[in-house]
Parts: sequence; structure tokens; C-alpha cells
Amino acid sequence: DGGITQSPKYLFRKEGQNVTLSCEQNLNHDAMYWYRQDPGQGLRLIYYSQIVNDFQKGDIAEGYSVSREKKESFPLTVTSAQKNPTAFYLCASSTGTGEIGELFFGEGSRLTVL
Amino acid sequence: EDQVTQSPEALRLQEGESSSLNCSYTVSGLRGLFWYRQDPGKGPEFLFTLYSAGEEKEKERLKATLTKKESFLHITAPKPEDSATYLCAVRVVNNYGQNFVFGPGTRLSVLP
Repeated sequence: DGGITQSPKYLFRKEGQNVTLSCEQNLNHDAMYWYRQDPGQGLRLIYYSQIVNDFQKGDIAEGYSVSREKKESFPLTVTSAQKNPTAFYLCASSTGTGEIGELFFGEGSRLTVL
Repeated sequence: EDQVTQSPEALRLQEGESSSLNCSYTVSGLRGLFWYRQDPGKGPEFLFTLYSAGEEKEKERLKATLTKKESFLHITAPKPEDSATYLCAVRVVNNYGQNFVFGPGTRLSVLP
């Protein structure tokens, strides 16, 4: 079945460490997104990408980095510069700007800093 | 600045007690409004897309409507399994491409 796969589902990190969250989609979507969700809050955009080898900062990009080397993959690195990284991270994809389509989400990755 | 607000923040209903959730938006040009359902610890699940004022969509006990400034999600005779957080989002198009702006959500609890 087509969908979005995020891994790992749970991740623990020590302060000062970088961690990378994986996101893979087989929906043939051009656009991919990373959102952060904190308890009781909505989704805030970290980074998004409309095409391969191109991406744009969202509202809360500081302390995060991404790459888009393949259409199917959009990994997110949470760096040591992110002061409060404990959160639920959601990856999503959609068709490109020229087509009106909804966001499809993965099941999320929960990061906890020890 | 594109903004989405939702009310109420939380809603408790008795089984069978109908109600409505509100989503208000301020965007430079609406390119679609979306409703999602999210269960704890899960990714959001798509419910509806609305594109123009006056449009309505229905699915089982849920009905979504859209005006020029807000959308409503009506829940008719809810059941406990309808308990979840309901998220509203708008699609915006900028010089780079498109992104989706989300509201904070409404946490719905339906008691048996």
C-alpha cells in the first residue's frame, strides 16, 4: 500500500547529540514537509520541499536541517543547536503546487531528550 | 500573516449530543481548507477538503461547511469512538510553492 513511513517511532537523545529522523514516501508526491507538535498544540512547520534538491525554511527551522536528494526521501536532523527538541515530529507529503491535494501524514516520531 | 484559529479548545459531549467545531482563518488567498482527525500518538487522518464558500462535505456523522472567513465541523449524534483532536488547516501558496497552516485543534471527548 502507498503511504509515508517514519522511523524510528521513539527516539531518545542525550544533550549535545545530533539525531536524524527518517521519512520515506511511495506516493510519488513532489512536495514533502516536516512539522513539530508539542502537547496540546497544533502543528508548526519546520522545513518543506517542493522538488528534489530544493527546500525552504518554515516557521521554526532554527536547530534543524534537512536534505532532499531523492523524491521519496526527506530526512530531518535535529542538531544540538535546537534548545528544546523534545516533541512529536510528523512528516507529510502532497502533490505539487499545480495540483490541489491534501497532506498525507506518517505515524510520527517521538523524540525525548534525556 | 496567514493564521488559523479553532474553538473551542476542548469539548465534552454526551453520546448522541450534537455540536459544532469552529475554524476561523485569515489568509491572503484560500487555496483549500482541510479537516483532519488525530488520535493520541498518531499522525493526522484526512477527513475533508473544502475549496469555496458555500461548499459542504459529509462523512458518516461529520459534516463540514465553509464560508468566506470560517469553517464548521458539525458532529451529529456522536459516539465515543469520535473522541479525538480535530485539526483544521489552510493551504497557502507563496513565491516558493505551497504549505499548509494548521490551527491548534479542538480536543473532543464523547462520553458514553
